[in-house]
Amino acid sequence: AQSVTQLDSQVPVFEEAPVELRCNYSSSVSVYLFWYVQYPNQGLQLLLKYLSGSTLVKGINGFEAEFNKSQTSFHLRKPSVHISDTAEYFCARGSARQLTFGSGTQLTVLP
Amino acid sequence: GAGVSQSPRYKVAKRGQDVALRCDPISGHVSLFWYQQALGQGPEFLTYFQNEAQLDKSGLPSDRFFAERPEGSVSTLKIQRTQQEDSAVYLCASSWTGGEYEQYFGPGTRLTVT
Repeated sequence: AQSVTQLDSQVPVFEEAPVELRCNYSSSVSVYLFWYVQYPNQGLQLLLKYLSGSTLVKGINGFEAEFNKSQTSFHLRKPSVHISDTAEYFCARGSARQLTFGSGTQLTVLP
Repeated sequence: GAGVSQSPRYKVAKRGQDVALRCDPISGHVSLFWYQQALGQGPEFLTYFQNEAQLDKSGLPSDRFFAERPEGSVSTLKIQRTQQEDSAVYLCASSWTGGEYEQYFGPGTRLTVT
């Protein structure tokens, strides 16, 4: 079965510092990967996606992620975080039929 | 344009009651999905529609859960004889078909069973 693992349940970081949120997926021939952000009491918003092509994917709000097939990873990075980035982040894999999510990483940006 | 909307946003039900949760997808979106998100967890897939056809219901946890999309637009998730373990946020998402796979999520309905 397809699976997604987010190793860090909580990541505290100071404002303007860089951050990396880790995501690993179970190996498969083809893989489609996503990062979503969820603010309190809201639905999920797509940050970025990898379907094929360039392994470095740029998304909204200054986030980017790198698809690494050999390490089966898709880590999310931002060079300088803001207070407003405080939210829950979910890595997911899937297809047109469904998404399989990781358990999420709570990013807390400290002043 | 308008995004995915869900109603009600909050629902409190007594154990044993039936509930109905509504999802209005983005106009023109062919695909519609329901997910269940327990507290502190990631969303888990429940079911998938393409137009009015329910193509995958493998994630529905029991036969108390039923979903429909009779006219290929609005969808309703119904839970019969609610149990405490049904307490969760129920998320609806919709998407175009065409290979981009991006799903647009609604704000969710928080169901609390007492």
